[in-house]
Amino acid sequence: QAVVTQESSLTVSPGGTVTLTCGSSTGAVTSSHYPYWFQQKPGQAPRTLIFDTTKKHSWTPARFSGSLLGGKAALTLSGAQPEDEADYYCLLSYTGAWLFGGGTKLTVL
Amino acid sequence: EVQLVQSGAEVKKPGATVKISCKVSGDTFSGYYMHWVQQAPGKGLEWMGLIDPEDGETIYAENFQGRVTITADTSTNTAYMEVSSLRSEDTAVYYCSTGAETSHGLSLLGYWGQGTLVTVSS
Repeated sequence: QAVVTQESSLTVSPGGTVTLTCGSSTGAVTSSHYPYWFQQKPGQAPRTLIFDTTKKHSWTPARFSGSLLGGKAALTLSGAQPEDEADYYCLLSYTGAWLFGGGTKLTVL
Repeated sequence: EVQLVQSGAEVKKPGATVKISCKVSGDTFSGYYMHWVQQAPGKGLEWMGLIDPEDGETIYAENFQGRVTITADTSTNTAYMEVSSLRSEDTAVYYCSTGAETSHGLSLLGYWGQGTLVTVSS
């Protein structure tokens, strides 16, 4: 079974920019993995931010963007706000089945 | 507005079976796959499996194959996830998630239920 890897924790200053990445043990992450990104705050259900690598929901703040970067999926936060402090998870598709990454704890400090 | 409403918290003994429901309102139930996700206390999200409510076809994650059964009832717009032979490691919050149409296309896991806490304890 593949393993999906994320940074365990990252810190960004208010107003700063940070990139979270999502890699696959099977090789490069491509658009065929249909990368998703979710935000989860304590005690809440996950919220979908990005789907199909780059696409946003109507509720996704404009400061979040998705891309492929160096063989990984990436979530970039430009202009971090205190309310962006949360856990972030990526999800990749493997021919029908899906796998989450271990999550990144993002601190805005 | 689409809503996924899950059944309430459960407390079960080891070896028992639990069945959680997820009722969809506000949209076409059978048009989108329903996913189930586990989150153990203090841990990350783990994808368990999905069902196509239209034909009942399922796909399970390797870790959950054999002990988890996902079903759907299109007459009541409700999906179910059953875990048998419960053990303490199954203590977790379980979420359902389904598709959402957006201006950019279909997001397969766009809407989420509120989560159901299952506690396994003797």
